[in-house]
This record gives sequence, C-alpha cells and structure tokens, in this order.
Amino acid sequence: EPEVTQTPSHQVTQMGQEVILRCVPISNHLYFYWYRQILGQKVEFLVSFYNNEISEKSEIFDDQFSVERPDGSNFTLKIRSTKLEDSAMYFCASNEVLAGYGYTFGSGTRLTVV
Amino acid sequence: GENVEQHPSTLSVQEGDSAVIKCTYSDSASNYFPWYKQELGKRPQLIIDIRSNVGEKKDQRIAVTLNKTAKHFSLHITETQPEDSAVYFCAASNSNSGYALNFGKGTSLLVTP
Repeated sequence: EPEVTQTPSHQVTQMGQEVILRCVPISNHLYFYWYRQILGQKVEFLVSFYNNEISEKSEIFDDQFSVERPDGSNFTLKIRSTKLEDSAMYFCASNEVLAGYGYTFGSGTRLTVV
Repeated sequence: GENVEQHPSTLSVQEGDSAVIKCTYSDSASNYFPWYKQELGKRPQLIIDIRSNVGEKKDQRIAVTLNKTAKHFSLHITETQPEDSAVYFCAASNSNSGYALNFGKGTSLLVTP
C-alpha cells in the first residue's frame, strides 16, 4: 500500500533556529497538508497546498511558517525561527482528490525545540 | 470556523463491553465525519467515516451514527478487545475550508482484560 514518507522521524533544534521538515506524498496525489499535534493534545490543521500554492491555512500558520514543493516529489514545511511552543509532532498528509475522505497521513516528525 | 467537541476524554471498559464516544460539531456545512485511532507515538489511522447523506455505517465491530439535525455523531465499538486501547479522534470537514480536518480533543480508551 502506498505510504506518505516523512523525514526525519525526530529532530531536535535550538530555539531560534530554522528547521525544514520533509515529506514525500503518494505519487498520484495532488493535495498536500501539514498538521501538528502538541503532546497529549488534538491534531490541528496548519496548511493545505495544491497546484503549487497554499489553498487554505489556519491561524497557527503565521509568517514563521512556509511550505514548498521544490521538486516533483517532496513537500516541505519550514519553520523560520523556532520557539519552544513549536515542539510537537508534525504530520504530513496527501490526498488524491479535494475531499475530506481519502487522506493518508505520514508517520510524523517529532520536533523538539530546546 | 468549525468547532468539534468530543466526550468523554477518557473511557475505561472491560473486555467484551461496548464503548461509545460522542462528538458534536458547530458548522452545519460540515459533510464528512471520519474517526481516527491513534496508538502511542504513531500516526492517526482512519477506522471508519460517514458522509452527511448517511445516518449510520457499520464495519464489523465498529459503527458510526450521524444526526445532522442535532449536529452530533458517535462511534460505537462492540465486543471491545485490549487491542482497541488507543486514543480515538473524531473530525469534521467541509468544502468551505478546503476539506481541512477539524479534530476533536480525543478520547483515551482503555480496555481491560
């Protein structure tokens, strides 16, 4: 079964540093998403991406965040100047269609900001 | 925006008993309601979903019901097993928000042998 792949699985960074989280969506999927989950809390939507541009974003997705699809396979989330409260599990997801169903989540990147 | 409330936050049942988790949503435009199971340190995995044109859906021991008028939906697990122990999240989505999933806060289910 096709999978969404995320790297790294765990990243530790110092406060104020930039991090890039990487995702390889399923190859025929067209819609890409980032979600985050602070430890012990619910999963929260960050951003959706289609046709090389952001289609929706939440209030969490402020100017320190950016997304990019630098080539035909990768989808990245950049956090410019990390804060302690950015520590969370970040999940990438992709979908073949624009719909709530059909989401496939990646295994996540645990980001720890120290 | 959409607000999804989920209850209870924790649920402990004995093996073989049924478990029910309830969610309410605020946006009447929401038309898709998935349920995810998340084991510790792992990704959310879809276990069942329901669309707004259906009132009930069943898949073996798992069923979901939807009441559009009252804006609530529920997950029912029958004949629970210890391996059902996990955190369960409900979610709602609609086209107005590009089908972003709005999750509830989760229910930690513990099934004791």
